[in-house]
Amino acid sequence: DVKVTQSSRYLVKRTGEKVFLECVQDMDHENMFWYRQDPGLGLRLIYFSYDVKMKEKGDIPEGYSVSREKKERFSLILESASTNQTSMYLCASRGQGSSEQYFGPGTRLTVT
Amino acid sequence: QKEVEQNSGPLSVPEGAIASLNCTYSDRVSQSFFWYRQYSGKSPELIMSIYSNGDKEDGRFTAQLNKASQYVSLLIRDSQPSDSATYLCAVIGGGGNKLTFGTGTQLKVEL
Repeated sequence: DVKVTQSSRYLVKRTGEKVFLECVQDMDHENMFWYRQDPGLGLRLIYFSYDVKMKEKGDIPEGYSVSREKKERFSLILESASTNQTSMYLCASRGQGSSEQYFGPGTRLTVT
Repeated sequence: QKEVEQNSGPLSVPEGAIASLNCTYSDRVSQSFFWYRQYSGKSPELIMSIYSNGDKEDGRFTAQLNKASQYVSLLIRDSQPSDSATYLCAVIGGGGNKLTFGTGTQLKVEL
């Protein structure tokens, strides 16, 4: 079974703090993704990576950056957290040549 | 026009009935289609994938795809209260690498 893990289930941060969200997958998948999910807006893609050290902007990259130094790990960074970044953050991975994408458990981030 | 559209619901069905969830998409060259189930407070779980026109069955679930009408549906037979969740339709478009999600349909199965 594919296993995608995220470093925290719940996180509370203050406005202006730098926030790191970590995601690890154990299936040697090439593709990894970061989404945020908000009521009424659905899942929106922030960034994705198709290989180590490679990254592509998704639909809403503003205010975020990412890092992929190792194949199994994909980090989402909020350089200076703001209240409008309060959301559920979901990481996903997918193997090369496969269309099926698997999600981690999510991190519910609250910025106060 | 949204790329992937779903009725937000809630769709209420009695226990034992067939639940029918529908999704339309705008990119004519989309090739891969998925249904995810998401329980409240949890992450999406892949339950069905379909790639060619017609029906695909897996247990109580049937996915149906009609590329000419740009329409994909999910049927849940013998609905159970444990099926109560939000169902997300997702599509990989002609560009190839990114999943685009609908906003989901909330299903409630009532005793």
